Amino acid sequence: GQSLEQPSEVTAVEGAIVQINCTYQTSGFYGLSWYQQHDGGAPTFLSYNALDGLEETGRFSSFLSRSDSYGYLLLQELQMKDSASYFCVGGGAAGNKLTFGGGTRVLVKP
Amino acid sequence: GAVVSQHPSWVICKSGTSVKIECRSLDFQATTMFWYRQFPKQSLMLMATSNEGSKATYEQGVEKDKFLINHASLTLSTLTVTSAHPEDSSFYICSARTAGGPYNEQFFGPGTRLTVL
Repeated sequence: GQSLEQPSEVTAVEGAIVQINCTYQTSGFYGLSWYQQHDGGAPTFLSYNALDGLEETGRFSSFLSRSDSYGYLLLQELQMKDSASYFCVGGGAAGNKLTFGGGTRVLVKP
Repeated sequence: GAVVSQHPSWVICKSGTSVKIECRSLDFQATTMFWYRQFPKQSLMLMATSNEGSKATYEQGVEKDKFLINHASLTLSTLTVTSAHPEDSSFYICSARTAGGPYNEQFFGPGTRLTVL
């Protein structure tokens, strides 16, 4: 099985940078991904790391260190619309099942 | 991009009744779909994996006789909550994966909010 730990909540101001850390324990590793979910909405895919290193997509970047069982999502130049919950997600193989972390609620203030 | 729809978006029912939720992949074929449940301010919990043309695979602790899943075609999976009780009130979300996409990328439906009175 898998378990993923991430902070429950982060508050920051517009324009700031936020890093959401995720540590995981898994019997088999098939990559770490990140999803964003606004209140009442569907989760949307942000990024995926299969190998160590940094993946950059616009203002968002994701990092993975398999040796440390650790990853993070970096949100830069925060905007009000970035207020949402962010989930680190493990899995993919073995039937493509995804396991969601507890989620980090990001609140962006003016 | 890949679009997944769900119907209904919300439903209120009386305790003891059954409710069916549909999940459709609109512009792609999905041999596998997934059903999740999400309680307020909590994470998504996988309930079951729905496979086209075969029985669903349920996660530990999920009652297969209570949550009936049917994946009759490559674009449609249904979840029926039988004999619903207030504790079944939750946000139910389905997802599907397209062939060839990033391994962990799944496309989620907009969710169905179920309230059992």
